[in-house]
Amino acid sequence: AQTVTQSQPEMSVQEAETVTLSCTYDTSESDYYLFWYKQPPSRQMILVIRQEAYKQQNATENRFSVNFQKAAKSFSLKISDSQLGDAAMYFCAYRSAMNRDDKIIFGKGTRLHILP
Amino acid sequence: SQTIHQWPATLVQPVGSPLSLECTVEGTSNPNLYWYRQAAGRGLQLLFYSVGIGQISSEVPQNLSASRPQDRQFILSSKKLLLSDSGFYLCACRPRTGENSPLHFGNGTRLTVT
Repeated sequence: AQTVTQSQPEMSVQEAETVTLSCTYDTSESDYYLFWYKQPPSRQMILVIRQEAYKQQNATENRFSVNFQKAAKSFSLKISDSQLGDAAMYFCAYRSAMNRDDKIIFGKGTRLHILP
Repeated sequence: SQTIHQWPATLVQPVGSPLSLECTVEGTSNPNLYWYRQAAGRGLQLLFYSVGIGQISSEVPQNLSASRPQDRQFILSSKKLLLSDSGFYLCACRPRTGENSPLHFGNGTRLTVT
C-alpha cells in the first residue's frame, strides 16, 4: 500500500525568506500524481501545486515550486519570499494513475509559521 | 466549477448517539467522492471513497459507514458514536474532468463527542 510521510511536524521561517517542506512517499507504481495542499486557520483546503510523475520538469506556481525526485520518491515544496499569509498547515498527497479506485492519501502535515 | 456543501459546520453529540453528516456537490456530474477525518497529530485520514452510486470503499473505521444514494450525495453515518470519533470531517470531490484533476473540499464539520 502507498504511504506518504511528512517528517517535519512544524517549521518556522522568517518573512521574505525561503523555506522547503519535505515529503516522501512509498509506492511500487510508476505512474501517479502528487499534490500539495494548504490549510490556513480557516481550515479550508486549498490546492497549492500538482505534479504528474511522468513529467520530469518540476511544477511551479508563482512563489511555490517543487523538487520532484522520482527515484528517491521525494516531493518537496519550496516557498520563496515567504509571506504572512503562507502560515498554514501543508499537506502532501498521492494519487495513483494506475488504479481505477482513485484512492487519494495524505501525509500528516507540516505546520508552517511565518515570523515577521 | 464545483461547489461542495457540507453540514452541519459544528456538532456536539453524546457517546452512543447516532451520526449523520451529509455532503452534496454542485457543478459536476459523476464525481469521485471522499470522506476524510482530521484529528490532532494524525493528519488527514481517508475514511471512505466512492467512484459511483452505491460504490463505497472503506479504509479504516469500524463504527462508521458511508452511503452514496445519489450521484452527488455522500453521507457519513454511525449508529453509536465513540469518544474517538471526535474530529474534523471533510468531504471532498474529484471531478472527472481530467486525470490530474485535484480534490476540492467542503468547509468541514467539527464533531465533538462528549
